[in-house]
Amino acid sequence: EVQLVESGGGLVQPGGSLRLSCAASGFTFSSFWMSWVRQAPGKGLEWVADINQDGSEKYYVDSVKGRFTISRDNPKNSLYMQMNSLRAEDTAVYYCTRDSRYSYGLGYYYYGMDVWGQGTTVTVSS
Amino acid sequence: DIQMTQSPSSLSASVGDRVTITCRASQSISNYLNWYQQKPGKAPKLLIYAASSLQSGVPSRFSGSGSGTDYTLTINSLQPEDFATYYCQQGYSTPPLYTFGQGTKLEIK
Repeated sequence: EVQLVESGGGLVQPGGSLRLSCAASGFTFSSFWMSWVRQAPGKGLEWVADINQDGSEKYYVDSVKGRFTISRDNPKNSLYMQMNSLRAEDTAVYYCTRDSRYSYGLGYYYYGMDVWGQGTTVTVSS
Repeated sequence: DIQMTQSPSSLSASVGDRVTITCRASQSISNYLNWYQQKPGKAPKLLIYAASSLQSGVPSRFSGSGSGTDYTLTINSLQPEDFATYYCQQGYSTPPLYTFGQGTKLEIK
């Protein structure tokens, strides 16, 4: 069964740090782009960051640049998000997703975020 | 950055109705448009990718269309399990800086 399982969420004070993890199973993890998407309480979805198959490309939404770092460990089938200098507005459920993005020459196909984890909750509050 | 605007923000409909949700991009996104369904307390689920392709396992009453900047999600013959929030998402940006629409909440009339 294709599965993503997040962990590492919790309550942290403003300015603190957390490291989220996502364990992948049931597919060849090293063949896929991966993303983190978050959802603040009662709000919509926000893409946060993504990473390519070998970790050489990483991209972030402007609001987390310089504070969050996405990474992966392919032999361990795991995705991570190191979150530093946390703010109240980072409070959200964080989802790990599999991106069906495939490059060819100078172009690419993109078939969406086709696998999602169950989410892990991050609460930033004093 | 590419902005995505969905309409309406909320919608009331009855079982058996046909509904349409619209998503407009701030620039042409060449059919790099996906639709997701989210039920309360659950992770989103991919319904439609590349504007009109049905994800495996998704009922055929769901369909997508559009081109350029304007896209639609249509649900024919609404079923009780379809009442949820729907999001569009663009995947056109290079590098991949994705954006979602603000969501459309579909409620039972």
